Amino acid sequence: GQNIDQPTEMTATEGAIVQINCTYQTSGFNGLFWYQQHAGEAPTFLSYNVLDGLEEKGRFSSFLSRSKGYSYLLLKELQMKDSASYLCAPLDSNYQLIWGAGTKLIIKP
Amino acid sequence: DGGITQSPKYLFRKEGQNVTLSCEQNLNHDAMYWYRQDPGQGLRLIYYSQIVNDFQKGDIAEGYSVSREKKESFPLTVTSAQKNPTAFYLCASSIGDTQEQYFGPGTRLTVT
Repeated sequence: GQNIDQPTEMTATEGAIVQINCTYQTSGFNGLFWYQQHAGEAPTFLSYNVLDGLEEKGRFSSFLSRSKGYSYLLLKELQMKDSASYLCAPLDSNYQLIWGAGTKLIIKP
Repeated sequence: DGGITQSPKYLFRKEGQNVTLSCEQNLNHDAMYWYRQDPGQGLRLIYYSQIVNDFQKGDIAEGYSVSREKKESFPLTVTSAQKNPTAFYLCASSIGDTQEQYFGPGTRLTVT
């Protein structure tokens, strides 16, 4: 079956760095997306990795290891507005997104 | 401004009634999707459409129906056959399979 595993909740301090891990098992693989979702709102796109390695985009970076079925999202210089859920979603062989339940990130001053 | 609109934001219905949720996009995207989100769970795909006049069932299509008569519009009907219709419904669109999906603001449906 297809499975996504992310921590349910994480807490970090404003200004710090946090890494949100995601492991996945899918039928085939065509890349992996990370989305941010604030409470009660729609998800917004953060990153897409299709090859192994690190993709950096401002304060956010995303890493992928296809052989390990593993990805992480790295958030630097945390701000209060980063409090949100972070959704890991690999694309399977049918080009369907398989969504994890998300990691709720709580930022404390 | 290009984007996706869903209306209404909140919708209340009595059990046994069908209800249609609207989704319109002016991004000129070919693909459109309907998801359902329940607390503590990932998004689950209800229906998707890659081209006008064609759509496919997702993982939880039972009790739902869609149409795609125009590229811009992909309405979802929640029928009385859907056993647990209360949820947050999200519509999305994308240029293609490997492109990011853009989401509408969502409709929170409550059925009592």
